[in-house]
Amino acid sequence: NAGVTQTPKFQVLKTGQSMTLQCAQDMNHNSMYWYRQDPGMGLRLIYYSASEGTTDKGEVPNGYNVSRLNKREFSLRLESAAPSQTSVYFCASRRGEEAEAFFGQGTRLTVV
Amino acid sequence: AQTVTQSQPEMSVQEAETVTLSCTYDTSESDYYLFWYKQPPSRQMILVIRQEAYKQQNATENRFSVNFQKAAKSFSLKISDSQLGDAAMYFCAYRAPGNTPLVFGKGTRLSVIA
Repeated sequence: NAGVTQTPKFQVLKTGQSMTLQCAQDMNHNSMYWYRQDPGMGLRLIYYSASEGTTDKGEVPNGYNVSRLNKREFSLRLESAAPSQTSVYFCASRRGEEAEAFFGQGTRLTVV
Repeated sequence: AQTVTQSQPEMSVQEAETVTLSCTYDTSESDYYLFWYKQPPSRQMILVIRQEAYKQQNATENRFSVNFQKAAKSFSLKISDSQLGDAAMYFCAYRAPGNTPLVFGKGTRLSVIA
């Protein structure tokens, strides 16, 4: 089973460029999440989608947009990348309230 | 808003010894979930152990166990018989009831000395 798949795994952007991080899960999970991980900061929630058709802001949403394309896919878009968005990005999904969350392998993004 | 605090940025332990990682959290909820995740150099997030707040018994998973003190809002992780493969970042996480996201602490980097 693939679980949670993120693409790409690595990316270098120039300041001002845009890109979309893709996330797909094959476990029929209802909820999906985007986190960013920075040294000494842990994982901070950017956006989440509790169910297909809904999205909500997390702790650090500025500079990002999301789309829950269908139940499987939840994408994160950077419209105009900034060096402060250099980070490792994790997508996660969960079936329901009692279930554990499953994480993708992460995307290391560098903005120069 | 709920917060999770890990007061030890770095810890080290001798192989085969026992180490305890600390975690405290702040919440006004009576029911919630607590987790410890391990992140090795591969970057993969691995669930180590989970605890439901309504359960009084501390969770255990092989060499990993927790000391859950609900009144003190404390949730420490004990690793017994430490192995080289235990070296990783460890994150404590909290989740409120309902369809809510995980809230993470800043992590503790554990080194295991041979």
